Amino acid sequence: NAGVTQTPKFRVLKTGQSMTLLCAQDMNHEYMYWYRQDPGMGLRLIHYSVGEGTTAKGEVPDGYNVSRLKKQNFLLGLESAAPSQTSVYFCASSYSPTSGLYNEQFFGPGTRLTVL
Amino acid sequence: SQQGEEDPQALSIQEGENATMNCSYKTSINNLQWYRQNSGRGLVHLILIRSNEREKHSGRLRVTLDTSKKSSSLLITASRAADTASYFCATDAEKNSGYSTLTFGKGTMLLVSP
Repeated sequence: NAGVTQTPKFRVLKTGQSMTLLCAQDMNHEYMYWYRQDPGMGLRLIHYSVGEGTTAKGEVPDGYNVSRLKKQNFLLGLESAAPSQTSVYFCASSYSPTSGLYNEQFFGPGTRLTVL
Repeated sequence: SQQGEEDPQALSIQEGENATMNCSYKTSINNLQWYRQNSGRGLVHLILIRSNEREKHSGRLRVTLDTSKKSSSLLITASRAADTASYFCATDAEKNSGYSTLTFGKGTMLLVSP
């Protein structure tokens, strides 16, 4: 099993450009998450999904959109990138807490994004 | 806002010594989890402790939870150079939506020198 994979691994954008980050998991997890990690800030939740076709806002959702058209994929979009969105982005997935299984999260390797 | 706050921010020890990291949080939780992150990598789950548990062990890891003080500690015994990493606590608290998500602290950077 590949676990959680993210593409791309690195990307450099110019201000105003758009891009989509792709996250895929092969563990049949219900929940999926997008975080950003900045120096000294820890991980902050951007958006999450509790199942196919559903999304919800996290702590820092502004400037980002997400979609969960298939259970195994969770896409994060930046419509008009800004330098403040320079960060490392992590995707994660977990079982639903209501499944009776613990909701430990499995993380992807991250995408390092620089916006100039 | 951050739910969990780790202390200390950085810790430097010698191989063979024990490392203790603390985490404080603000609201009621369902469980508390500890994660490890090696430089440039994703986080890896280490251990989960439920709100009705007080102590849990996993190999060289020992986690305690004091819900009355809203605090947890992670003890790594007999540290190895390979334990060098950042360690994060994460609290699982139910949101108004009815769904629970994890809130991560800022982490403790552990350096274990040979």
